[in-house]
Amino acid sequence: SSELTQDPAVSVALGQTVRITCQGDSLRSYYASWYQQKPGQAPVLFIYGKNNRPSGIPDRFSGSRSGNTASLTITGSQAEDEAHYYCNSRDSSGYRVVFGGGTKLTVL
Amino acid sequence: EVQLVESGGGLIQPGGSLRLSCVASGFSVSSNYMNWVRQAPGKGLEWVSVIYSGGDTFYSDSVKGRFTISRDNSRNTLYLQMNYLSAEDTAIYYCARESGVNSGFDSWGQGTLVTVSS
Repeated sequence: SSELTQDPAVSVALGQTVRITCQGDSLRSYYASWYQQKPGQAPVLFIYGKNNRPSGIPDRFSGSRSGNTASLTITGSQAEDEAHYYCNSRDSSGYRVVFGGGTKLTVL
Repeated sequence: EVQLVESGGGLIQPGGSLRLSCVASGFSVSSNYMNWVRQAPGKGLEWVSVIYSGGDTFYSDSVKGRFTISRDNSRNTLYLQMNYLSAEDTAIYYCARESGVNSGFDSWGQGTLVTVSS
């Protein structure tokens, strides 16, 4: 399969921990990357590889993988974390890229 | 500083063609994997195409045969030639840099809006 599946919406209480998941067969072979997108803005890379954060990304964001599921975990959610989150990875061919449908995170 | 600036979007009639440009600064497009990603209004991100550093190109099924990705190393610019456009191609088009497999799309342009409508 060349699809990545994400829950459309997730909510979390302020200060609590939330996990956003991304499922797909290609994740058994390739790591997912995670992007945050806020309204009217371009996406921003938050996690790549096994569990790497670009410079400037808070350490409350972390990534993991188990089998065909990649996860983005936010430990101690903040109000500014409310956004859409997308995963992507190589598809099963290894040459093309696929995005998940995105998860809208609401911080209560 | 790494920067990507797209241009070339606009209003185009169904069946028409358009060429998008993405000027890069702070790095070489020829040394990276360069991608086009689009986002229809109110929808999620959709990968469109990639050109690898070696020159190989790949496309999503939705644009294969209609779109062509290319680059001009001397101008440090990425292009997307879009032909036979339809309403389903209406979207913001972003160019994005990828340093390698599993490196993520670490730099994005601000996007250029393509509207296909009569």
